[in-house]
Amino acid sequence: EVQLLESGGGLVQPGGSLRLSCAASGFDFATYGMHWVRQSPGKGLEWVSGISGSGAYTYSADSVKGRLTVSRDNSKNTLYLQMNSLRAEDTAVYYCAKDVQQLPYNWFDSWGQGTLVTVSS
Amino acid sequence: EIVMTQSPATLSVSPGERVTLSCRASQSVSSNLAWYQQKPGQAPRLLIHGASTRATGIPARFSGSGSWTEFTLTISSLRSEDFAVYYCQHYHGWPKTFGQGTKVEIK
Repeated sequence: EVQLLESGGGLVQPGGSLRLSCAASGFDFATYGMHWVRQSPGKGLEWVSGISGSGAYTYSADSVKGRLTVSRDNSKNTLYLQMNSLRAEDTAVYYCAKDVQQLPYNWFDSWGQGTLVTVSS
Repeated sequence: EIVMTQSPATLSVSPGERVTLSCRASQSVSSNLAWYQQKPGQAPRLLIHGASTRATGIPARFSGSGSWTEFTLTISSLRSEDFAVYYCQHYHGWPKTFGQGTKVEIK
């Protein structure tokens, strides 16, 4: 059974940094692309970043480029989102999601339960 | 950026009724369209990919159709567990944008 468990969320001041983690199990992690998707309180879903199974290719939404960086450690079966220069509008629940192929070009067939990031002074 | 527009925003329905949700893309996404269901406090769940292919374990009462810019999710006979928010998402290039969602609520 595929399991994705996010962690690392919390309260951070504007301009601060945070690193989210997503621990994966139940599948061959290195074989699949992964994504981060966020959801602001009471709002819809916004795709944030995607990364290939090898980690060689990454993609990000324009709204987070240069501030939020996706990476992965396949030896630890873990996906990361390094969040720098955080803004109030980055406040959201952050989900990790599994792609269905090596390259992150497809739909998401499994999601974690999410971790809440609150950016506020 | 491809903009996904869902309608209606909210649908009030009685159990047993047939439900049709719409999703429109601002430019063609071919059949690169997925539907997800999200219940309060839960993560989204994949229902449909490739515009019309049900994901593993999804009941047959859920069906998807459409291509290019116009898509539909149909629930043939609504059950109590189907009251939720439904999102469409394209995966035809970057960024992978979602629609704003349609909330299906009890009438």
